Amino acid sequence: NAGVTQTPKFQVLKTGQSMTLQCAQDMNHEYMSWYRQDPGMGLRLIHYSVGAGITDQGEVPNGYNVSRSTTEDFPLRLLSAAPSQTSVYFCASSRGTSGQETQYFGPGTRLLVL
Amino acid sequence: AQSVTQLDSQVPVFEEAPVELRCNYSSSVSVYLFWYVQYPNQGLQLLLKYLSGSTLVKGINGFEAEFNKSQTSFHLRKPSVHISDTAEYFCAVSEGTGGFKTIFGAGTRLFVKA
Repeated sequence: NAGVTQTPKFQVLKTGQSMTLQCAQDMNHEYMSWYRQDPGMGLRLIHYSVGAGITDQGEVPNGYNVSRSTTEDFPLRLLSAAPSQTSVYFCASSRGTSGQETQYFGPGTRLLVL
Repeated sequence: AQSVTQLDSQVPVFEEAPVELRCNYSSSVSVYLFWYVQYPNQGLQLLLKYLSGSTLVKGINGFEAEFNKSQTSFHLRKPSVHISDTAEYFCAVSEGTGGFKTIFGAGTRLFVKA
């Protein structure tokens, strides 16, 4: 199993550009989520999904869109990038949708918005 | 609303010394508690978790944590650290079912010196 994979590893954008961060998992996990990691702030939840076709907002959803058309994939879209979105983004998945589940994290995408 | 406070942003310690990383949480309901570790340039991985039962939880790499409900704490300990334990450690709390949200602390950077 590859686990949770993320592409790209690094990306530089100009303000106003759009892009999609890709996330895929091959563990048939129901739950998937996106976090951003900023220094001194830990990980903050952006969006999450409890299954194909079902998504919901986390703590910091503004400026980001998600969709979940398949169990495996959970892309994160930045419609109009802003410097405040410079961060490291992590995708995670877990087997079930209860709070007891262990989350499995991808390697992250480093995003710089100029 | 749930929240997590990690009381130390950085903890320097000499190799083979004991270490404690402190975590306090707040929540109005029963919670599940986690410690994750992040090695440089990697995603997070689970160290241990408390779901119910015994308040002393043992995890990987010789780490353990104790759940203290009256003090709303979940401190992480290791009796003798190694250079390879140098990493960032995150305490996290989640609650509920049917679409959970995990809240992470800001992280504690453990630096083990020779």
